[in-house]
Amino acid sequence: DTAVSQTPKYLVTQMGNDKSIKCEQNLGHDTMYWYKQDSKKFLKIMFSYNNKELIINETVPNRFSPKSPDKAHLNLHINSLELGDSAVYFCASSQSSGHSEQFFGPGTRLTVL
Amino acid sequence: GQNIDQPTEMTATEGAIVQINCTYQTSGFNGLFWYQQHAGEAPTFLSYNVLDGLEEKGRFSSFLSRSKGYSYLLLKELQMKDSASYLCAVRGTSGTYKYIFGTGTRLKVLA
Repeated sequence: DTAVSQTPKYLVTQMGNDKSIKCEQNLGHDTMYWYKQDSKKFLKIMFSYNNKELIINETVPNRFSPKSPDKAHLNLHINSLELGDSAVYFCASSQSSGHSEQFFGPGTRLTVL
Repeated sequence: GQNIDQPTEMTATEGAIVQINCTYQTSGFNGLFWYQQHAGEAPTFLSYNVLDGLEEKGRFSSFLSRSKGYSYLLLKELQMKDSASYLCAVRGTSGTYKYIFGTGTRLKVLA
């Protein structure tokens, strides 16, 4: 069974479009994250939710809107896509107690043309 | 500010030992993590340190000195499959759930 899954794995779209990425974890974790990894491989946190509550929002343009319908799901909607949004987006989850390693999803490679 | 520094690239030979260093300056500290990321794949957890000292896990060991803001990942008996990026990440003070990642060290293992 996949621990953290994301869909789609690849997303190619035109500038100006709106798209969504979905993430689900079956680990029973209480915290989920979205990261952006650019072409230089730098992994930067975008958002974090703990028990469906937004706790981290890292100066991300408001074109990006996360939604957590329940503890196991965290989706990312992006409006008016721009060329600079092209990157790999990783979802991750962890448990807030204990040593809390993060488990990452397989990533969504977004290409904006 | 918050900053994590790692060398960009390292090269080593199969069977050798390599040490990847990480220095950090963060507001609050609640653990340091090392992740491995193969090209085109997701990061996977390797090790965790929250107290000073060495943690050993098979061929991989990780060391932490909180007073120096310093950690290293030691890889022994290098294999070709160890060619990957190694990411150092620091977790902020308990309750913030925020992990700050370094830019990663790309390790090439040569035959």
